Amino acid sequence: AQSVAQPEDQVNVAEGNPLTVKCTYSVSGNPYLFWYVQYPNRGLQFLLKYITGDNLVKGSYGFEAEFNKSQTSFHLKKPSALVSDSALYFCAVRDWDFDGGSQGNLIFGKGTKLSVKP
Amino acid sequence: DSGVTQTPKHLITATGQRVTLRCSPRSGDLSVYWYQQSLDQGLQFLIQYYNGEERAKGNILERFSAQQFPDLHSELNLSSLELGDSALYFCASSPLRDSGANVLTFGAGSRLTVL
Repeated sequence: AQSVAQPEDQVNVAEGNPLTVKCTYSVSGNPYLFWYVQYPNRGLQFLLKYITGDNLVKGSYGFEAEFNKSQTSFHLKKPSALVSDSALYFCAVRDWDFDGGSQGNLIFGKGTKLSVKP
Repeated sequence: DSGVTQTPKHLITATGQRVTLRCSPRSGDLSVYWYQQSLDQGLQFLIQYYNGEERAKGNILERFSAQQFPDLHSELNLSSLELGDSALYFCASSPLRDSGANVLTFGAGSRLTVL
């Protein structure tokens, strides 16, 4: 079964410092991986995805993620954190069915709360 | 504004009652997904509809049901409500059925409080 794990409930970073939010995955079939962000009292917003190709994926708001097949990881990164980046971040993997292949829905991790202090 | 509209934004009701949550997908999107977000369970996939047909089922309780109408809007019906059903319910939509590259676009959610 497809699953993702976000080992940190919270990440604290000083503004201007680089940030990393960790995600590891377990999949059957191709790993279609996603990052979403949720601001307070808002829905989830898409940041970036890995489908195939370059291991470094660039997304919205200056975020990027590195796909590492050998470590089964898909960590979210940003070179210089902003206070406005403070939010809840979710890693997700596309579901997979052995009969039908890739499914439509996403399976989400528990989320990591990012706090960026001035 | 994501283009996915959910109503109502907030709903307070009592145990044993029934409520209906409504979702209008982004223009052109044929798939609708329902998710439940709670503090202890995180984001749980409930059910997916594609062009009016049920496509996939997740951890949806028997007390819950959903449908997608010809105009592609969807409704999630929650009945015999329990305290533990209090959660944020999200609707998401996507253009294609099961493409791996599909991006799900989420609505702002409906917050249900059961007293």
